[in-house]
Amino acid sequence: DGGITQSPKYLFRKEGQNVTLSCEQNLNHDAMYWYRQDPGQGLRLIYYSQIVNDFQKGDIAEGYSVSREKKESFPLTVTSAQKNPTAFYLCASSARLGLAGRGSGFRRPYEQYFGPGTRLTVT
Amino acid sequence: QKEVEQDPGPLSVPEGAIVSLNCTYSNSAFQYFMWYRQYSRKGPELLMYTYSSGNKEDGRFTAQVDKSSKYISLFIRDSQPSDSATYLCAMIVGTGGFKTIFGAGTRLFVKA
Repeated sequence: DGGITQSPKYLFRKEGQNVTLSCEQNLNHDAMYWYRQDPGQGLRLIYYSQIVNDFQKGDIAEGYSVSREKKESFPLTVTSAQKNPTAFYLCASSARLGLAGRGSGFRRPYEQYFGPGTRLTVT
Repeated sequence: QKEVEQDPGPLSVPEGAIVSLNCTYSNSAFQYFMWYRQYSRKGPELLMYTYSSGNKEDGRFTAQVDKSSKYISLFIRDSQPSDSATYLCAMIVGTGGFKTIFGAGTRLFVKA
C-alpha cells in the first residue's frame, strides 16, 4: 500500500537537544511538507520541498532545518533554537502542480496526503 | 487578519442532526477549496474538494463554495458518532501554486 510513514509516534527530549523526525513516502510524489499543529491554530507550514535537493522556508521555519536528498524522504530537525518545540508534527506529500495548474498525471494534484504525525514533548 | 478563518468550536450535536461547518477567507485568488477530516491523534485526510464556486455532494456530505461572499461550507446529513472529528477547511491559489492554507479546524462531537 502507498502512503506516508512518520516515526516515532511519540518523542521526548530534554531542552537544548536537537531531534530529528523521520518522514518517508512511497507515493512517487514530488512535493513534501512539514507542518506543526497546535491547539486552536490549525496547521502551520514549517518547510516544503518541490523537488529533490531543493526546499523552501514556510511560515514558521525558525529553529527548524530539513534536507531532501531522496524523493522519498524529508526529515525534519528541531533544533535547540526553536523556542517552543512541544507540538504535533505532521508530514505530507502531494503531486507537483505544473505552471498551468495541472498535475503530473495524478487525479487530484492539489490533495495532500498526511502521515500519522509525531508528538514531540520537550521538557 | 488570518487568510482563512474557522470557528474552532467545539460543536456538539445529537446523532442524526444536520451539521453545518463554515470558513471565511480573504484571498480572492483561491481556486481550490477542500475539507479535511482529522480523527484524534491522526493525520488529516481529504474529505471533499471543490474547484471554484458551486456545490458538490458525496453521500451524506455536501460542500458549498460562494466566492462572491468568500465563504465555504460543509454540510453533514444524518450525522453519526463516527463523524466525530476535527474538520479543517483548506484552500489553494491553484495555477502554478501548491501551498495550502488551512483553517484552524472545528472540533465536532456527535452524541449517540
